Amino acid sequence: DAGITQSPRHKVTETGTPVTLRCHQTENHRYMYWYRQDPGHGLRLIHYSYGVKDTDKGEVSDGYSVSRSKTEDFLLTLESATSSQTSVYFCAISVSEEGTNTEAFFGQGTRLTVV
Amino acid sequence: AQSVSQHNHHVILSEAASLELGCNYSYGGTVNLFWYVQYPGQHLQLLLKYFSGDPLVKGIKGFEAEFIKSKFSFNLRKPSVQWSDTAEYFCAVRTGTGFQKLVFGTGTRLLVSP
Repeated sequence: DAGITQSPRHKVTETGTPVTLRCHQTENHRYMYWYRQDPGHGLRLIHYSYGVKDTDKGEVSDGYSVSRSKTEDFLLTLESATSSQTSVYFCAISVSEEGTNTEAFFGQGTRLTVV
Repeated sequence: AQSVSQHNHHVILSEAASLELGCNYSYGGTVNLFWYVQYPGQHLQLLLKYFSGDPLVKGIKGFEAEFIKSKFSFNLRKPSVQWSDTAEYFCAVRTGTGFQKLVFGTGTRLLVSP
């Protein structure tokens, strides 16, 4: 599983509350990603990081922020959770440097329910 | 921006039937292509990948995929499915831009009946 740990694995929260999901890797890989998975939409990229303090937006970044203060941790924050953010969130790492090819490895996922 | 289309949203097969799942992408440049599988309640796992070379790629568990550049396709095949292949299958494309981003298709749910 490429040493990826997501926490928490399940969370129920109320609308309007802040929520932070954590992704921790043990392999010091440079690239990390946050995806959400919803029926009929597959996986959609929220944010990604290409190094400490280097992050960028994906296709569904509205309402989310991220931080990466250490190589091993990539945090996803919902500043004010809404019901539309009920989803399964997956963290992934890409075992690569620019110019080389490899694939992404995924964490076990976090099921978030906003009530 | 690139996109990935999986036209089969749900597929139901009997054991021992042959499988082919379609995947088309829209991008004119160099691409890396992937098929991932997600078993019920689990995370995504890599089935196979194509970066370059032989367009017929063999993956784990008897799966293979063929990259047809002229058709912008990367279809997944298995000659004889098993009940344990019941899962959701995702095609993904990464463009050769140097940024490590994957774009996923919407997935195909496969149900194999015993």
